[in-house]
Amino acid sequence: QKEVEQDPGPLSVPEGAIVSLNCTYSNSAFQYFMWYRQYSRKGPELLMYTYSSGNKEDGRFTAQVDKSSKYISLFIRDSQPSDSATYLCAMSVTGANNLFFGTGTRLTVIP
Amino acid sequence: GAVVSQHPSWVICKSGTSVKIECRSLDFQATTMFWYRQFPKQSLMLMATSNEGSKATYEQGVEKDKFLINHASLTLSTLTVTSAHPEDSSFYICSAPKVERTGELFFGEGSRLTVL
Repeated sequence: QKEVEQDPGPLSVPEGAIVSLNCTYSNSAFQYFMWYRQYSRKGPELLMYTYSSGNKEDGRFTAQVDKSSKYISLFIRDSQPSDSATYLCAMSVTGANNLFFGTGTRLTVIP
Repeated sequence: GAVVSQHPSWVICKSGTSVKIECRSLDFQATTMFWYRQFPKQSLMLMATSNEGSKATYEQGVEKDKFLINHASLTLSTLTVTSAHPEDSSFYICSAPKVERTGELFFGEGSRLTVL
């Protein structure tokens, strides 16, 4: 079983839709959770960072962590064509030196 | 703006030659940097951890003599792909934590290597 599971998609939504992206994990010791956005042929860009459980909101983005279910989510409200990218979840026990990535979900927002 | 700068963004070289990729942390010091490799439509694979002033730590299966890493200063790490072959063609990405002991990791723009 992989440490982190993420549906690769692809996922296509109309502009303005609410997007839900999810990852599950097996290691209950994970306590740092991140979402990255990666445009084609570019390095990943840190979108959201959460420590332990709970919700975090930043503009149109909301990250949720449910440690009891070993499940994290990223919600994108009022999705825009510019949100079209691959979204990677990542998590760690101790910090940046041991990060486990999901395979990424490719999202397309159709105008 | 970008906090980690990577150069070159793309490079084409002949088989057998060596290629150096630079990774710089901007406006902060990074005692540790990470080098990843990414194949098309796949996730990031950690290759090695670059440590300032000491030897890099390589992940299992990564040839240290092929992928030379040097972390000579607190803001610069380099990855040299030696005697490159077509199978080394890939997207190489460096990263650095801006705040130690947390998971916030910032990535460079990536370097696409094509070996002919």
